[in-house]
Amino acid sequence: EPEVTQTPSHQVTQMGQEVILRCVPISNHLYFYWYRQILGQKVEFLVSFYNNEISEKSEIFDDQFSVERPDGSNFTLKIRSTKLEDSAMYFCASRGRDRYEQYFGPGTRLTVT
Amino acid sequence: AQKVTQAQTEISVVEKEDVTLDCVYETRDTTYYLFWYKQPPSGELVFLIRRNSFDEQNEISGRYSWNFQKSTSSFNFTITASQVVDSAVYFCALTHYSQGGSEKLVFGKGTKLTVNP
Repeated sequence: EPEVTQTPSHQVTQMGQEVILRCVPISNHLYFYWYRQILGQKVEFLVSFYNNEISEKSEIFDDQFSVERPDGSNFTLKIRSTKLEDSAMYFCASRGRDRYEQYFGPGTRLTVT
Repeated sequence: AQKVTQAQTEISVVEKEDVTLDCVYETRDTTYYLFWYKQPPSGELVFLIRRNSFDEQNEISGRYSWNFQKSTSSFNFTITASQVVDSAVYFCALTHYSQGGSEKLVFGKGTKLTVNP
């Protein structure tokens, strides 16, 4: 069964460093999303992406964040200058046309020290 | 604005008990979609079910059943004869129909279910 994959599973970085989180959505899906979950809290929407552009972004998704689909398979989230409060689990999700359920990857745990 | 409330923060049951997880939602949209996701201790988010706002039929899948009631804006989830493997955090989520393709999921805070042997 097709699944969303994410790399790395865990990333430790120092404050101020740039990180890139990578995702490979399910191959025939058209809509892509990033969410984050601070430890023990609810899952929060960051950004949605369709047709090579951002559809919607949340207040959390400020100028330090960017997304890209550099080729036909990868979908990346970049944080330019990480802050301590960026420490969280980051989930990538995708969905197909005319289907509203989103399928999530296993997540990348980002730890900013 | 959309909102999902899961009033039960934690529930603990003994194996084979039935348990119901509550979910109440708020939305001004006439077309919307409701979901349940399971987050086991390993951390991934597993899709369980989607319900459309125009389809109020309840659904049963094995030991799982879902009760959608528009009149009370609720979408409750019942596990019958619970098992230890059901121990997880369960999230209720909501999205609306959008032509733009965003359809972000709005999640509740989750209910942590512990099933003890």
